[in-house]
Amino acid sequence: KAGVTQTPRYLIKTRGQQVTLSCSPISGHRSVSWYQQTPGQGLQFLFEYFSETQRNKGNFPGRFSGRQFSNSRSEMNVSTLELGDSALYLCASSPDGPNQPQHFGDGTRLSIL
Amino acid sequence: GEDVEQSLFLSVREGDSSVINCTYTDSSSTYLYWYKQEPGAGLQLLTYIFSNMDMKQDQRLTVLLNKKDKHLSLRIADTQTGDSAIYFCAERDNQAGTALIFGKGTTLSVSS
Repeated sequence: KAGVTQTPRYLIKTRGQQVTLSCSPISGHRSVSWYQQTPGQGLQFLFEYFSETQRNKGNFPGRFSGRQFSNSRSEMNVSTLELGDSALYLCASSPDGPNQPQHFGDGTRLSIL
Repeated sequence: GEDVEQSLFLSVREGDSSVINCTYTDSSSTYLYWYKQEPGAGLQLLTYIFSNMDMKQDQRLTVLLNKKDKHLSLRIADTQTGDSAIYFCAERDNQAGTALIFGKGTTLSVSS
């Protein structure tokens, strides 16, 4: 079974631009979560989508948004990029059900110049 | 608030056992997880333990859970150079559904 696929692997943007990252979950997984990883803050939860609906949201500004499609693929968007948005963005998928473990992709490395 | 604490570094010799420790704060956490991150990669799920268990063994990995002290440990037997990576402990955030709260990670360095 293929794992979680994230594209692109690397992105370079400048301040003020916007960016869209993509995540394809493991086949059959309906829950997709996004995390931001930085050296200073570590791993922080952004949001989770299930059945095309945002089910949970972390403590991030409204510039961070996402969506999920009917095939469970998910995208996240960051608008008006800031230098502090430079990070590794990780997507994780899991089957539905309480406490199902999350499986992560290799992430998208976003650098803001 | 909820927090997960880990020591930052551990250095061992090849063939020795490694023990990575973690403390968590939410006593209602039902599952606790260990993930491994190698350079340039995402997180690999190593193992997880349900809160009604004290121990779980999976090949070279042994997880011990002390609910009273909210202490979790991961023991790697016969540590190899390929085990060099960052290891993250995580608990479920019971205030936010499926969200995981991660520790800062323990960097394991294995020397030959």
